Amino acid sequence: GNSVTQMEGPVTLSEEAFLTINCTYTATGYPSLFWYVQYPGEGLQLLLKATKADDKGSNKGFEATYRKETTSFHLEKGSVQVSDSAVYFCALSGGYNKLIFGAGTRLAVHP
Amino acid sequence: GAGVSQSPRYKVAKRGQDVALRCDPISGHVSLFWYQQALGQGPEFLTYFQNEAQLDKSGLPSDRFFAERPEGSVSTLKIQRTQQEDSAVYLCASSLGLSVGGNTEAFFGQGTRLTVV
Repeated sequence: GNSVTQMEGPVTLSEEAFLTINCTYTATGYPSLFWYVQYPGEGLQLLLKATKADDKGSNKGFEATYRKETTSFHLEKGSVQVSDSAVYFCALSGGYNKLIFGAGTRLAVHP
Repeated sequence: GAGVSQSPRYKVAKRGQDVALRCDPISGHVSLFWYQQALGQGPEFLTYFQNEAQLDKSGLPSDRFFAERPEGSVSTLKIQRTQQEDSAVYLCASSLGLSVGGNTEAFFGQGTRLTVV
């Protein structure tokens, strides 16, 4: 069945460091891929998405590329800020009506 | 309101008690979803509504869980005879379109944290 595996956290970085959060998936067909972010005390928010192979999603300095050959959708940012501290979830569309999420990766950025 | 609203934000229930969790989706959104998020885990799909029709309830863990959306807007997730393993955050999401892929974005509420003691 469809599933998402993402790197365990927490990830602790200093401000302005480079960020990578790994995400791999297993799916039948050609799902859309997503990164959601959950800031403290807030609901899940869509960060970026990609709907087909080789698409790059980007938002707020974050990027992720849909790699069909490696079944991956790694999240990257060149220079993190304290305000990026949150929990990040990789997800895929498992059919038209549901999202399948990874377990989440907590990011803590220190000044 | 501007976003998806859920109430209550926190609920403590004694084992065996029935609970009802409410979701107010964004006005005009056709699709509504319920997810369960256990501590330290990602959200897991429970059920999906398209307007008032419950088209997918494959994720409901047992027949103690029941969801409805009678007028195609507000939805209620009911859990009967709660058990400790039901303790989790219950998330509601809505979207304008009929799917969550492609160009349709799902907007999530802040969730209801249920603790069964």
